[in-house]
Amino acid sequence: AQSVTQLDSHVSVSEGTPVLLRCNYSSSYSPSLFWYVQHPNKGLQLLLKYTSAATLVKGINGFEAEFKKSETSFHLTKPSAHMSDAAEYFCVVRNPYQAGTALIFGKGTTLSVSS
Amino acid sequence: DVKVTQSSRYLVKRTGEKVFLECVQDMDHENMFWYRQDPGLGLRLIYFSYDVKMKEKGDIPEGYSVSREKKERFSLILESASTNQTSMYLCASSPTVIYGYTFGSGTRLTVV
Repeated sequence: AQSVTQLDSHVSVSEGTPVLLRCNYSSSYSPSLFWYVQHPNKGLQLLLKYTSAATLVKGINGFEAEFKKSETSFHLTKPSAHMSDAAEYFCVVRNPYQAGTALIFGKGTTLSVSS
Repeated sequence: DVKVTQSSRYLVKRTGEKVFLECVQDMDHENMFWYRQDPGLGLRLIYFSYDVKMKEKGDIPEGYSVSREKKERFSLILESASTNQTSMYLCASSPTVIYGYTFGSGTRLTVV
């Protein structure tokens, strides 16, 4: 079985400060991992994905995430937060070796950015 | 760009009604999915389909059924709507197991 745990349900930062959203995964094989973002009243958008290539993955809008197998983590970071980053973020895992499998979502982290 | 279209943005239905939520994708993807999203619970998988006429139960299939008669269309059916099915419903599609999904904009269903 596979699962993801987002360690913080809510993170608050000031504009211009770094962002860290934490995610741990559980999987018996090397998974595919994703981060999605959902802005208020908008659909889900793929930020970045890890699929067993480089462990440091760069995504859109300056976000990146590092796959650490030893720590079973896939934390999302950004050096400097913008007001427009305020949204809900989901860490997601998928089994890449089995056809017909679905994405498993974490419960989400709400990021608030203050000026 | 891949487009996943959900036919209704907002729906209000009465308890006991049969409800159809429609989803259409335009990129010939094999896999299609239905999730519901509730505050504090993230997205939970209801059903998915990896081929025409094929379906698999997700984590919370009770009270729902699905239909996939054509590759581009995946319908979610609430056989007898109940108030605990009030939620945001999201449809998604994807071409293979390697990639992530493309999501529709969602249908916010209220059952009164």
